[in-house]
Amino acid sequence: DAGVTQSPTHLIKTRGQQVTLRCSPISGHKSVSWYQQVLGQGPQFIFQYYEKEERGRGNFPDRFSARQFPNYSSELNVNALLLGDSALYLCASSLWTGGYEQYFGPGTRLTVT
Amino acid sequence: GEDVEQSLFLSVREGDSSVINCTYTDSSSTYLYWYKQEPGAGLQLLTYIFSNMDMKQDQRLTVLLNKKDKHLSLRIADTQTGDSAIYFCAEREYGGATNKLIFGTGTLLAVQP
Repeated sequence: DAGVTQSPTHLIKTRGQQVTLRCSPISGHKSVSWYQQVLGQGPQFIFQYYEKEERGRGNFPDRFSARQFPNYSSELNVNALLLGDSALYLCASSLWTGGYEQYFGPGTRLTVT
Repeated sequence: GEDVEQSLFLSVREGDSSVINCTYTDSSSTYLYWYKQEPGAGLQLLTYIFSNMDMKQDQRLTVLLNKKDKHLSLRIADTQTGDSAIYFCAEREYGGATNKLIFGTGTLLAVQP
């Protein structure tokens, strides 16, 4: 079975632009979470979605938004990009909102210049 | 607040055992995890332990949990060069409807041939 997939793999944007990152969870998983990993640090929680509803939000500005589709895939949007948004963005899926096994995708490397 | 701490670096020789340590602060955490991250890749779930357990063994991996001291360790037996990676400890925070992982800063394991 395919694991969590993310696209694109790499992305280069300039300050002020907007970006959309995509994630497809493991088949049968209904919960998707997004994490930001800045170089040299551990991942930081951004959002959790379950059954198309936001179930949790980390300490990130309103420039960050996300949504989940009926097929449980998800998009993360970041507006008005800053240099500090450069990071690896990781998507994780779990069976349900309280699923204790979270599996991560390969991530999208975003570089903001 | 939540805080997960790990030592930054560990160097071992191939064939030796590696022990990676972690301390966490949230005594209500029900699950604690170890993830592995190879260069340029996402996170691989290695193992996890439920908080009512003291030890869990999975092939070459042994997890020890000391709830009194809020200390978690991962022992890798017969360490191989392919084990070289960054290892993240994480605690699960599950409250309301949010299910998120709090990660440490990671321990870089270097295995010398």
